[in-house]
Amino acid sequence: GDSVTQMEGPVTLSEEAFLTINCTYTATGYPSLFWYVQYPGEGLQLLLKATKADDKGSNKGFEATYRKETTSFHLEKGSVQVSDSAVYFCALNSPAGNKLTFGGGTRVLVKP
Amino acid sequence: GAVVSQHPSRVICKSGTSVKIECRSLDFQATTMFWYRQFPKQSLMLMATSNEGSKATYEQGVEKDKFLINHASLTLSTLTVTSAHPEDSSFYICSARDGTASEKLFFGSGTQLSVL
Repeated sequence: GDSVTQMEGPVTLSEEAFLTINCTYTATGYPSLFWYVQYPGEGLQLLLKATKADDKGSNKGFEATYRKETTSFHLEKGSVQVSDSAVYFCALNSPAGNKLTFGGGTRVLVKP
Repeated sequence: GAVVSQHPSRVICKSGTSVKIECRSLDFQATTMFWYRQFPKQSLMLMATSNEGSKATYEQGVEKDKFLINHASLTLSTLTVTSAHPEDSSFYICSARDGTASEKLFFGSGTQLSVL
C-alpha cells in the first residue's frame, strides 16, 4: 500500500539556518504530494503541493520538488525564522484511493 | 480562510465511558469529512471517511462499533469513542473537504484523548 517516510525529529536550528526535511514515498500510480504544517495549538495547514513529476511547490519561502526517479519530495527553506517552529507532515494522495497518507511528522524548533 | 473547529481540544475520561468529539466546518459546507488518529511520533492514520447523510466508510482494522461516526449535516461530524479503554488514548484529528469546486481540505486542531 501507499506509505510516506520522513525524517524523524526534532530538528533544532538557529535562525537563518538552512532547513531540509527529507520525505520519500511509495505509491501506486502517480500521486499528488503535499507538505502540511502544524503550528502549536493549531490545525494542519497546507504548506505546498505538487501534482506531477518535476513540479516544484513553493510557499512562504519553502520549496519542494516532486522527484519521481527518487520517489522523494524533500522540503527546503534557505533561511528559517523562529516563527517556522512547527511540525511538518509530508503526505500523498493516491488517485486510486483518493485519500491522504501521511508521514510521521517532523518537529522543527528554530532558536533565536 | 476556511476554518474547521474541533472540540474538545483535550479530554480525560475514565475507562468504560464514552467520549464524543465534534468537528464543524465554520464557513463552508463539508460534503466529506475524515477522521484520523495519531499515536506519538507516528503518522496520522485514517480511521474513516464520512459523507453527509450516509454511513461512514471505515479503514481496515478500525472497529465500527467502537468508533461511531455521525455526519448528519454538511457542517458537523462527530466521532464517539464508546467504552473507552487506555489503549484508545491518542490524538484524533478531523478534516473536512470543501464541497465547492475547490475541493480543498481543511483540518481541525485535534483532540487529545486520555483514558485513565
